[in-house]
Amino acid sequence: GEDVEQSLFLSVREGDSSVINCTYTDSSSTYLYWYKQEPGAGLQLLTYIFSNMDMKQDQRLTVLLNKKDKHLSLRIADTQTGDSAIYFCAESPLNSGNTPLVFGKGTRLSVIA
Amino acid sequence: DSGVTQTPKHLITATGQRVTLRCSPRSGDLSVYWYQQSLDQGLQFLIQYYNGEERAKGNILERFSAQQFPDLHSELNLSSLELGDSALYFCASSVENGRYTFGSGTRLTVV
Repeated sequence: GEDVEQSLFLSVREGDSSVINCTYTDSSSTYLYWYKQEPGAGLQLLTYIFSNMDMKQDQRLTVLLNKKDKHLSLRIADTQTGDSAIYFCAESPLNSGNTPLVFGKGTRLSVIA
Repeated sequence: DSGVTQTPKHLITATGQRVTLRCSPRSGDLSVYWYQQSLDQGLQFLIQYYNGEERAKGNILERFSAQQFPDLHSELNLSSLELGDSALYFCASSVENGRYTFGSGTRLTVV
């Protein structure tokens, strides 16, 4: 079945870059997503990448996709204390409309001032 | 405010009881998804509705049921509650696959 794996914790110093990694199983996933969950809140879509792309940059965020290895990463440049949150990787397991996302368990990012 | 409204925000109830969680999707979104978030299991997909009809089912227990009404709001019914049902329950809505808008969740505590 579908599975999305992420490391559970990451700690970085303010101003450094953070890299959050994810592996997924379904090679037919058309899009891959990164969501952010701040304390006491729901998940918020951060960014996504189409499966025929290798990289997508959006301000401080860079998404890298290695489709051969089914590996996705999210790099946050100049990490700030406000970036402290749980980051979820998600795949859309079937290449058809409106199928539910499969989420990883989330990586808790702690930013040390 | 994400546009997805979930009520109540917190719920404390006893084992064996039944509760109803409510979700109003973002205006214009036809799909509603229910997810359960617990510390050990992460975010588990329960069920999806699209324009009033059940579209997909995930790891939803038989004690749980849901529906989507003509005005597109959805309710998740949890019955015969057990301690292990304590979790955060999220509703999300979307107009396009994958780009979900989540509500702020209902925290259910079963005592």
